Amino acid sequence: EAQVTQNPRYLITVTGKKLTVTCSQNMNHEYMSWYRQDPGLGLRQIYYSMNVEVTDKGDVPEGYKVSRKEKRNFPLILESPSPNQTSLYFCASSPKQGNNSPLHFGNGTRLTVT
Amino acid sequence: AQSVTQPDIHITVSEGASLELRCNYSYGATPYLFWYVQSPGQGLQLLLKYFSGDTLVQGIKGFEAEFKRSQSSFNLRKPSVHWSDAAEYFCAVVPFTSGTYKYIFGTGTRLKVLA
Repeated sequence: EAQVTQNPRYLITVTGKKLTVTCSQNMNHEYMSWYRQDPGLGLRQIYYSMNVEVTDKGDVPEGYKVSRKEKRNFPLILESPSPNQTSLYFCASSPKQGNNSPLHFGNGTRLTVT
Repeated sequence: AQSVTQPDIHITVSEGASLELRCNYSYGATPYLFWYVQSPGQGLQLLLKYFSGDTLVQGIKGFEAEFKRSQSSFNLRKPSVHWSDAAEYFCAVVPFTSGTYKYIFGTGTRLKVLA
């Protein structure tokens, strides 16, 4: 089944403790992206990747890192999480067919930082 | 700056009633337009998309949307709502000339369906 898989689904951590949220897609998509969803703010892009070893900042990259060593994986890294990073996170992917390709989303990771 | 506005944060309709969710965008040219639905605990799922051509597009689950260039709008409609349509709906645009694959999402409209 074609899908985007995020892990974990739920994560509670403490301020400053490094964490990684994994994202993997099995559709051979070139484009991958991370979003955070907050009430009243919709989805905001954190980072995106157009291809392997190519990443770029989105609208809210502060406090996050990403890597794209393989086409299928795009982990989101929080080196020193803070409470304002408590949010619902989504990974998404898309084939590189121009700007009209819809995004395929994972089921989300709900992160709480205390 | 490019932006997407969904003016209704919450909408409540009775089952069987018609539905219209509003979406307006701010952009100089016609962007690519999308509607996504997010059911509780799920990721976003594509409902429909518009690129060019016929301004009335059909999507999944009986939804349709109409692009109106003069109003910079892309409103989502459904003639008869089902209880299973209760979810959050997001309008999104990708500017036509974007070389950076920049999706811009609205803030969402949460739909409640009364039995």
